[in-house]
Amino acid sequence: LAKTTQPISMDSYEGQEVNITCSHNNIATNDYITWYQQFPSQGPRFIIQGYKTKVTNEVASLFIPADRKSSTLSLPRVSLSDTAVYYCLVGEITGTASKLTFGTGTRLQVTL
Amino acid sequence: EPEVTQTPSHQVTQMGQEVILRCVPISNHLYFYWYRQILGQKVEFLVSFYNNEISEKSEIFDDQFSVERPDGSNFTLKIRSTKLEDSAMYFCASSGSGTVFSYEQYFGPGTRLTVT
Repeated sequence: LAKTTQPISMDSYEGQEVNITCSHNNIATNDYITWYQQFPSQGPRFIIQGYKTKVTNEVASLFIPADRKSSTLSLPRVSLSDTAVYYCLVGEITGTASKLTFGTGTRLQVTL
Repeated sequence: EPEVTQTPSHQVTQMGQEVILRCVPISNHLYFYWYRQILGQKVEFLVSFYNNEISEKSEIFDDQFSVERPDGSNFTLKIRSTKLEDSAMYFCASSGSGTVFSYEQYFGPGTRLTVT
């Protein structure tokens, strides 16, 4: 699995857009980029996954530049309930059971 | 929306005792996992399970650990002789055939294991 680097923590005010960038310089050709969210005392929750360019769902957008050495998770208009730890994971999807390797993530604190 | 459930939510046990953590994965899922998270630390992979056998296990998953799918719905993690360092939150997860080409796993709420 490619090593990922993301900020330890970020702060935001409610209503702002938050962009969390993840660096993965040694990403391999077959690797996908996946983001998870974890609230305190809960299991991680899948947010979004992409391979290149831009992916958007009802929760977030994922921007991946052409060289794929980094990616940015964008959360539009965050609320207090978006306070959580966000994890960037990079790895090959083999089509079988995929082991998830979590780093320390980015702790996002949203305040009024 | 279907969800993964886990019981108990909190288990307190004495060192050396056996514990069984139970999980009910999403019904049409094929792949099952256990992860753990020691307080304040990373989520760590323990084991994956498919077609009634272990697909992959981590270094943490030593001979003290075992997994079983005793029937069509439950998936269990057994720790034979608990140690203080086994105290952690244990998460069960599952993923389905529809998410084979995906890292989308559905996690349960966790069982907090406290070993005294």
